[in-house]
Amino acid sequence: SQTIHQWPATLVQPVGSPLSLECTVEGTSNPNLYWYRQAAGRGLQLLFYSVGIGQISSEVPQNLSASRPQDRQFILSSKKLLLSDSGFYLCAWSVKGGMNTEAFFGQGTRLTVV
Amino acid sequence: DAKTTQPNSMESNEEEPVHLPCNHSTISGTDYIHWYRQLPSQGPEYVIHGLTSNVNNRMASLAIAEDRKSSTLILHRATLRDAAVYYCILRDGLSNFGNEKLTFGTGTRLTIIP
Repeated sequence: SQTIHQWPATLVQPVGSPLSLECTVEGTSNPNLYWYRQAAGRGLQLLFYSVGIGQISSEVPQNLSASRPQDRQFILSSKKLLLSDSGFYLCAWSVKGGMNTEAFFGQGTRLTVV
Repeated sequence: DAKTTQPNSMESNEEEPVHLPCNHSTISGTDYIHWYRQLPSQGPEYVIHGLTSNVNNRMASLAIAEDRKSSTLILHRATLRDAAVYYCILRDGLSNFGNEKLTFGTGTRLTIIP
């Protein structure tokens, strides 16, 4: 069966520090991968999505970046965090195609920038 | 992704049916209608999806209008555990890089009254 791992669950980082959040998927190959951010009390904002290694679309211009070094690994990074980067970060995967694109989400990382 | 419109919030009494509406007047012929829900402090989870015909599964039913410009998620007997934000999204069944994007609106916050 397929599983998605996302860590850490919680993170407190000072302003200006770097960030690296990792997401890995097991039990499937060539998945679509997604990073979302959810500010407190707000909706899900798509940050990046990837359909394959080296194929990443950035949806929101900001100080975050994403990389997909392996087929089932998706990394969200920042060189210098801002207070506005605080939020609930979610990784997700799905198979390709809209017919049966049930997306599966990780447990999320709650990031607080202080 | 084509745009969907949902009420910001709804309330329902426990053990009664709930009908959550979604308007998608610009839906294309290849768009599938998907529903997700997000429980507090968790990532979204898939509920149901359909194309033209009504669909049933163990979680809910999906009623799709004949012109496909609207749909309704039906929870047959709401419980307190159904309190969540419910998202209605459209996914194109034709797979290409742009169609693999998965975006969520603000959804409907469902409150269940004991």
